[in-house]
Amino acid sequence: EAEVAQSPRYKITEKSQAVAFWCDPISGHATLYWYRQILGQGPELLVQFQDESVVDDSQLPKDRFSAERLKGVDSTLKIQPAELGDSAMYLCASSLAPKSGSPGTIAGANVLTFGAGSRLTVL
Amino acid sequence: GDSVTQMEGPVTLSEEAFLTINCTYTATGYPSLFWYVQYPGEGLQLLLKATKADDKGSNKGFEATYRKETTSFHLEKGSVQVSDSAVYFCALKPYGGSQGNLIFGKGTKLSVKP
Repeated sequence: EAEVAQSPRYKITEKSQAVAFWCDPISGHATLYWYRQILGQGPELLVQFQDESVVDDSQLPKDRFSAERLKGVDSTLKIQPAELGDSAMYLCASSLAPKSGSPGTIAGANVLTFGAGSRLTVL
Repeated sequence: GDSVTQMEGPVTLSEEAFLTINCTYTATGYPSLFWYVQYPGEGLQLLLKATKADDKGSNKGFEATYRKETTSFHLEKGSVQVSDSAVYFCALKPYGGSQGNLIFGKGTKLSVKP
């Protein structure tokens, strides 16, 4: 069964250091999402890509967070510098969903498939 | 803004017990509603969904009915198994919102004892 791959699974870093997470979505999935899940909370969307373009980054703290999906396939989320409050699980998800209005939308195309996540601890 | 409230856990049940996890929402228009499940060490998986009022989503013995009059989407299962132990998240997609802009509840941890 196809999976969304994420690495690393666990990362411990000191505050003010840089950290990066990588995500490889399911092959053919046009849309990629990064979520942050703080312990005891539900996931919150950080950024959404449609192919290589950012569709929504309204919740991304742009002073320290950046995300890219240069070739429209895999994606990297970076935090620099990391702060104590960034400790969380970072989840990547993908969906088949093409751009709205595109012909031939497949039933279930908008279902998100999540990776196992990258757990960040900032000391 | 739109929000989801679900019952706090943890919930501990014996095998074959009846499960209800309450979920209510606040939203304008007609959101789509979802239940996701997160097994230990794994990512979130879509369990079931409903896209309009009175729809019933079902999967793996779990059911939830979209009740617009009570703005609820409670998750039920008639007989839980140890393998159902996981964290369950209720979520909504705002009407007209982008596909990824799901708003999640805080999650309810379910533990099923043999």
